[in-house]
Amino acid sequence: AQTVTQSQPEMSVQEAETVTLSCTYDTSESDYYLFWYKQPPSRQMILVIRQEAYKQQNATENRFSVNFQKAAKSFSLKISDSQLGDAAMYFCAYRSARAGSYQLTFGKGTKLSVIP
Amino acid sequence: DAGVIQSPRHEVTEMGQEVTLRCKPISGHNSLFWYRQTMMRGLELLIYFNNNVPIDDSGMPEDRFSAKMPNASFSTLKIQPSEPRDSAVYFCASSTLAGGPGTQYFGPGTRLLVL
Repeated sequence: AQTVTQSQPEMSVQEAETVTLSCTYDTSESDYYLFWYKQPPSRQMILVIRQEAYKQQNATENRFSVNFQKAAKSFSLKISDSQLGDAAMYFCAYRSARAGSYQLTFGKGTKLSVIP
Repeated sequence: DAGVIQSPRHEVTEMGQEVTLRCKPISGHNSLFWYRQTMMRGLELLIYFNNNVPIDDSGMPEDRFSAKMPNASFSTLKIQPSEPRDSAVYFCASSTLAGGPGTQYFGPGTRLLVL
């Protein structure tokens, strides 16, 4: 079974600075997808960014980018120019690319605080 | 476009009562997922449906939990009888079965409190 580990229960960053959230995963599969979701205090789960394992290029969405290291099974999220609205729980998630396997496996989350 | 819709947003009930949570997936999505979130256990998948058919219900904690998807635009998660340990936030998510990441889009959740 796949597992996802987020080793940082809490992180803080100064407004306008850059922060990196860590995620590692364990799988024997070669094809899969990885996601970062944001959960603000409203509890809504919002997709931040996704990465296909077969793509070597790291995904980027505006201020959010990932560092995907397939051999190391690492998938970190970098937030640049942090804003107060970035304060939230961040969850890393894994999904197999096997046909019929659609469920997500989530990490425990990292709580990010943004200091004005 | 409307996202995933869940109702009610909040539910407070007494132990032993029946609770029904409702979900309307995004139109055109053919996979639907029910998750439960607690402080102790994080986000857990309870059950998911493909084309209205339950595929994996191994995450359903016990027989008190049941889920149905009578059509492509509606699903329910029922707890009968409810217990205090069922208190959690319950999320519904939907995605497409088409090739690719199959990104799941989540509803706002139902916060359930069982007294």
